[in-house]
Amino acid sequence: DAGITQSPRHKVTETGTPVTLRCHQTENHRYMYWYRQDPGHGLRLIHYSYGVKDTDKGEVSDGYSVSRSKTEDFLLTLESATSSQTSVYFCAISESGRGRTDTQYFGPGTRLTVL
Amino acid sequence: AQSVAQPEDQVNVAEGNPLTVKCTYSVSGNPYLFWYVQYPNRGLQFLLKYITGDNLVKGSYGFEAEFNKSQTSFHLKKPSALVSDSALYFCAVRAASGNTPLVFGKGTRLSVIA
Repeated sequence: DAGITQSPRHKVTETGTPVTLRCHQTENHRYMYWYRQDPGHGLRLIHYSYGVKDTDKGEVSDGYSVSRSKTEDFLLTLESATSSQTSVYFCAISESGRGRTDTQYFGPGTRLTVL
Repeated sequence: AQSVAQPEDQVNVAEGNPLTVKCTYSVSGNPYLFWYVQYPNRGLQFLLKYITGDNLVKGSYGFEAEFNKSQTSFHLKKPSALVSDSALYFCAVRAASGNTPLVFGKGTRLSVIA
């Protein structure tokens, strides 16, 4: 999975609790992305980062925040988890956004269940 | 706005037969097009991409895709399907100009029957 790890791989939590998912890369790629995958919706972009401390919103950013204090780490936080955030979350990386031909490479995913 | 349509939720094909997974897209201007495959409990794996040049793109595991600008399509093909090709396939597109992110289709589940 192209030097990308996600932790935890599985998590069950309760409604209203904060949750943080971590993506770690060893490729030194500039761009990092968080997606969620839901049946019937494919993959939808939550947030992405184009450098340390530089982030932007994606299609479904409500209820999520992100932080990137180091090139290799991109954190996704659910401030107060809801059942609608039950999903599989994928991190992806790409070498450069300026070269938009760059391929995105994906991590193994985190399965999150909010009860 | 850019979008991708994968009109078939499920495609069934017999082992050894040719397979096609369909994808149509909508973008302003020229597209960059990608195909990814997802095996159970795994992340997405890159198969191939079209950026410019030859309309027929060859990728991993014997897959290829044909870019058709007039029909705004980028169908994934393989001459002879294997049972191990059974997986979920995603088409994705971004506009060549501007700074829009990659947009994925909803996925097509391919089942190859022995």
